[in-house]
Amino acid sequence: RKEVEQDPGPFNVPEGATVAFNCTYSNSASQSFFWYRQDCRKEPKLLMSVYSSGNEDGRFTAQLNRASQYISLLIRDSKLSDSATYLCVVNLPNFGNEKLTFGTGTRLTIIP
Amino acid sequence: EAQVTQNPRYLITVTGKKLTVTCSQNMNHEYMSWYRQDPGLGLRQIYYSMNVEVTDKGDVPEGYKVSRKEKRNFPLILESPSPNQTSLYFCASSRRATLTDTQYFGPGTRLTVL
Repeated sequence: RKEVEQDPGPFNVPEGATVAFNCTYSNSASQSFFWYRQDCRKEPKLLMSVYSSGNEDGRFTAQLNRASQYISLLIRDSKLSDSATYLCVVNLPNFGNEKLTFGTGTRLTIIP
Repeated sequence: EAQVTQNPRYLITVTGKKLTVTCSQNMNHEYMSWYRQDPGLGLRQIYYSMNVEVTDKGDVPEGYKVSRKEKRNFPLILESPSPNQTSLYFCASSRRATLTDTQYFGPGTRLTVL
């Protein structure tokens, strides 16, 4: 089983719709969780951290479910500019060293 | 402007010809790392550095070398490139050597080894 798994998509969603995707992780000792956004042929950039109690940043909501070992990202009122690949990132403990593991990404296209 | 820079951005080379990809950050960050990104495999860490003169292997270090002689620079060296090193490479840095800090990525270097 992969350490971090995401549905690769693509998700094609009409503008204004709400879209959500999940990411599962295999190591229950994982401590920190993030969503990064990567535009086509560009570098990843931090979208938001994911906190235990869930957190919102404008139209974006991130949630963590430790019992089922997944994190989710919800985008409300989607814009054309939301088209990108969304990377789930998990900070795994690794024999005393921390390790960041990236999912392969979920590709989202917002359709006018 | 706070940034991570990489050079070159694009490189086509031949098998066995040594090359260096430079990475520099102007944010006085302690932690720097190199990743490669391949379709279906995501970002995989090659090497990382917790601070000057401190480097360690990531998940896929074979065929690569790094050095950290100055805090701002973290070059990636391919002594004898092979076609399986064709990939998109990203350098990243963060303020502290703890992975809860935001990772700032360079613009990427697209390498093709023929």
